[in-house]
Amino acid sequence: AQTVTQSQPEMSVQEAETVTLSCTYDTSESDYYLFWYKQPPSRQMILVIRQEAYKQQNATENRFSVNFQKAAKSFSLKISDSQLGDAAMYFCAYLDYGGSQGNLIFGKGTKLSVKP
Amino acid sequence: DSGVTQTPKHLITATGQRVTLRCSPRSGDLSVYWYQQSLDQGLQFLIQYYNGEERAKGNILERFSAQQFPDLHSELNLSSLELGDSALYFCASSVEAGGGYEQYFGPGTRLTVT
Repeated sequence: AQTVTQSQPEMSVQEAETVTLSCTYDTSESDYYLFWYKQPPSRQMILVIRQEAYKQQNATENRFSVNFQKAAKSFSLKISDSQLGDAAMYFCAYLDYGGSQGNLIFGKGTKLSVKP
Repeated sequence: DSGVTQTPKHLITATGQRVTLRCSPRSGDLSVYWYQQSLDQGLQFLIQYYNGEERAKGNILERFSAQQFPDLHSELNLSSLELGDSALYFCASSVEAGGGYEQYFGPGTRLTVT
């Protein structure tokens, strides 16, 4: 079974600095998707960024980028120019490609604090 | 706003009771997923429906059941409630059932069992 591990329960960053959140996963599949979701205090789950395993190029969305290392099964999230609004729980998630099921498998999350 | 709606937002009930959580997917989405978020278990997949039929089951207890209606809204029924069932229950929807389709999450229903 696929698993997702986030080894940093909490992280802290100074406003305007850069922070990297780590995620590793385990799967025997070759095609899959990886996601980072943000959950602010409002509890809404917000998709931050998505990476297709077959793409070698790392995904980027404005200040958010990933470092996807397929062989190492590593998928880290880099947040540049951190803002106070980035403070939230961040979840790494895995999704099998294809098939008839599409349930996400989540890590335990990393709580990010942003200091002014 | 993801376009997925969930009612109620909050629910407080006693042990042994039964509750129903409701979810309306985004317009055009055929697949609905239910997830449970608790402090000890994290975010866990419960069950998936696609166009009215059950498609996948995760860590869903036998006391829990769900269905998807012809208008595609879904309900999650929780019975014989226990203190440990207190959690945030999310519904998500996607246009299709397979992997690779983005899931949009509703705001969640906070269930408190006393």
